[in-house]
Amino acid sequence: GDSVTQMEGPVTLSEEAFLTINCTYTATGYPSLFWYVQYPGEGLQLLLKATKADDKGSNKGFEATYRKETTSFHLEKGSVQVSDSAVYFCALSTAGGYNKLIFGAGTRLAVHP
Amino acid sequence: GAGVSQSPRYKVAKRGQDVALRCDPISGHVSLFWYQQALGQGPEFLTYFQNEAQLDKSGLPSDRFFAERPEGSVSTLKIQRTQQEDSAVYLCASSLARQGATYEQYFGPGTRLTVT
Repeated sequence: GDSVTQMEGPVTLSEEAFLTINCTYTATGYPSLFWYVQYPGEGLQLLLKATKADDKGSNKGFEATYRKETTSFHLEKGSVQVSDSAVYFCALSTAGGYNKLIFGAGTRLAVHP
Repeated sequence: GAGVSQSPRYKVAKRGQDVALRCDPISGHVSLFWYQQALGQGPEFLTYFQNEAQLDKSGLPSDRFFAERPEGSVSTLKIQRTQQEDSAVYLCASSLARQGATYEQYFGPGTRLTVT
């Protein structure tokens, strides 16, 4: 069945460091791909999405590119801030369906001043 | 405007008790999803409603779990005879989406269920 695998955390970085969180997926057809973020004490929020191959999603300085050839959707940010500390979830929804989401296990990011 | 709300935010149940978890989706959202998030894991799909119709309940872990959305708005997830393995955060999400289109799902804050 469809699945998402993302790198284990926690990831600990200093402020202004470069961030990469790896995400790969297995799916039939052509899924849409998402990154969701969960800040401490808050609900899940959509960070960015891409709906077809080679699309780049971006938001708040974060970017991810839908790579069909490597079945990947890695999350990157050039310079992290303390306020980016959160848990990040990669997810997919299968094409043509009603968009139920399949999530990875989440990666906790801690950014220190 | 108002987002997705869930109640209660926290629920402690003794093993064997029945619980009911409520979700108020964003007004006008056709689609409603329930997910279960175990500690340290990503959310896992439980069930899906389009308006009042439950189109997919493949993720419900046992027949102790039951969900309804009788008027196509508020939804209730009921767990009968709770077990310790039911302890998790239960998330509700709503969306404008109908089949075949990609719309954002908006998540509620979740209900943390602890079964003792």
